[in-house]
Amino acid sequence: AQSVTQPDIHITVSEGASLELRCNYSYGATPYLFWYVQSPGQGLQLLLKYFSGDTLVQGIKGFEAEFKRSQSSFNLRKPSVHWSDAAEYFCAVGPSGGSYIPTFGRGTSLIVHP
Amino acid sequence: DVKVTQSSRYLVKRTGEKVFLECVQDMDHENMFWYRQDPGLGLRLIYFSYDVKMKEKGDIPEGYSVSREKKERFSLILESASTNQTSMYLCASSPGFREQYFGPGTRLTVT
Repeated sequence: AQSVTQPDIHITVSEGASLELRCNYSYGATPYLFWYVQSPGQGLQLLLKYFSGDTLVQGIKGFEAEFKRSQSSFNLRKPSVHWSDAAEYFCAVGPSGGSYIPTFGRGTSLIVHP
Repeated sequence: DVKVTQSSRYLVKRTGEKVFLECVQDMDHENMFWYRQDPGLGLRLIYFSYDVKMKEKGDIPEGYSVSREKKERFSLILESASTNQTSMYLCASSPGFREQYFGPGTRLTVT
């Protein structure tokens, strides 16, 4: 069965600092990988996705993520964080194996200090 | 622009009431999902539907039912609301094996 681990429940950074959110997955084949962002009281919004090809993918709001098959990771990065980036971030994998259901990580809460 | 709408942003109901949460998507997606989200528990799938009148149970279907009579609309029904169903409810849709599009959520309080 596929699984997604986001090791960090909370991450605190200063505004202007760089950011990396970790995501590790367990999957039997080349996965579909996603990062979503959820602002307080809102639904989830797709930041970026990886299906195949270039392992470094660019997303909205200046985010990027790198797929590393050898490490089963898909970490999210941003070179300079803005206060408006404070939100919950979810990594997801799949769907697969004939199922339409993706698997989500538990999420990482990003706190941005001024 | 893709759009998933949910009938209410905030809802307060009494224990034992029947509650309907409506979700509509305008993207002609085959798949629709209902999740609940609670602090520390992440997203938990309640039900999903891969076609009109087709549904499958997710991880936590107890106390819920769903209806999908038209492709664009997916309803979540709490047959007899209980206080432990107080939560944020998120609807999503997706075109096949691809990314999901989420609605803004309904925060339901059962008193």
